[in-house]
Amino acid sequence: EAQVTQNPRYLITVTGKKLTVTCSQNMNHEYMSWYRQDPGLGLRQIYYSMNVEVTDKGDVPEGYKVSRKEKRNFPLILESPSPNQTSLYFCASRVGTGNEQFFGPGTRLTVL
Amino acid sequence: AQSVTQLDSHVSVSEGTPVLLRCNYSSSYSPSLFWYVQHPNKGLQLLLKYTSAATLVKGINGFEAEFKKSETSFHLTKPSAHMSDAAEYFCVVSRPYNTDKLIFGTGTRLQVFP
Repeated sequence: EAQVTQNPRYLITVTGKKLTVTCSQNMNHEYMSWYRQDPGLGLRQIYYSMNVEVTDKGDVPEGYKVSRKEKRNFPLILESPSPNQTSLYFCASRVGTGNEQFFGPGTRLTVL
Repeated sequence: AQSVTQLDSHVSVSEGTPVLLRCNYSSSYSPSLFWYVQHPNKGLQLLLKYTSAATLVKGINGFEAEFKKSETSFHLTKPSAHMSDAAEYFCVVSRPYNTDKLIFGTGTRLQVFP
């Protein structure tokens, strides 16, 4: 089944403890992206990647890092999480330019 | 710059009655427009998309949307609501033929009463 998977789905952590949220897609898509969803704000793009080893900042990249060493994986790294990064995070991927993005199931992160 | 405004944060309808979710956009060029749906504790699913072809776009589950350039609107409609339509709906705009950067609206929560 073609899909975007994220792990973990739920995570509670404490301020300053480094964490990684994994994202993997099995559709051979070049483009992948991370979003955060906050009440009343919709989804905002954090980082995106056009292909392996090519990443760029979205609208809210502060406090996040990403890497794209393999086409299928696009992990989101929080080196020193803070409470304002408590949010629902979505990974997405697409093939080609102009096509719709396919979203993962989301990761709910709470930073205490 | 692009932006999208969803005019209602909540919409409530009775099962079997029409659904209207309103979306206005702002763009300095003719945009691509999408509607996504998010069911509780689920990811986002594409309902339909407009990419400068026909202005009336039909999507999944009986939804459709009409692109009106003169009104800068892309409202989502369905003739008859079903209980399973209860979800959050997002209107999304992007540059034409370039969906690298999606701009999301703040969402409309649809409630369907029996």
